[in-house]
Amino acid sequence: EDKVVQSPLSLVVHEGDTVTLNCSYEVTNFRSLLWYKQEKKAPTFLFMLTSSGIEKKSGRLSSILDKKELFSILNITATQTGDSAVYLCAVDSGGGADGLTFGKGTHLIIQP
Amino acid sequence: GAVVSQHPSRVICKSGTSVKIECRSLDFQATTMFWYRQFPKKSLMLMATSNEGSKATYEQGVEKDKFLINHASLTLSTLTVTSAHPEDSSFYICSARDLTSGYNEQFFGPGTRLTVL
Repeated sequence: EDKVVQSPLSLVVHEGDTVTLNCSYEVTNFRSLLWYKQEKKAPTFLFMLTSSGIEKKSGRLSSILDKKELFSILNITATQTGDSAVYLCAVDSGGGADGLTFGKGTHLIIQP
Repeated sequence: GAVVSQHPSRVICKSGTSVKIECRSLDFQATTMFWYRQFPKKSLMLMATSNEGSKATYEQGVEKDKFLINHASLTLSTLTVTSAHPEDSSFYICSARDLTSGYNEQFFGPGTRLTVL
């Protein structure tokens, strides 16, 4: 059974801090790892990672994948209150159903 | 990016009734759409994969007779919750894959909040 484990489950920091969110996975056939941000409704796409060691960057957010150690991190620098959300990690393993396997998410709270 | 819509965004129904949720890809064709459900403070759980022109593939533990999925066209999939009960109350989200993008990226709809009284 495919597994995606995120840590921490919850994180509270002050505005301006840098945070690192972790995602480890065990899947039969890995195709890609995706990060999403979920506020009140459906997740919004952040990154898709397929290759090890190549950092993807978008503004203050960046992410990298390690396919040897089977994990990914999502970094957010100079956090703002608008970054408060649940960050979901998902793996596309190309399994029978071909859907994504999600982790439980990290609930990030940025305090002013 | 590609846009996926869902209708309705929120529905409240009585126990025993059936509810239909539509998922549409607005600016791309999707031979495959996915249905997820999410309970409060829980992650998304894949329910089924909807394939255009063929039967849906259900995840273990998901009752196919209760959650009817129809993928009528390349831009529309429907999920019907039959004889809904309070335990079916949840947030239902669909996603679609844009085959022309060349990536595995899935685009999510805004979700449908179902409350069964």
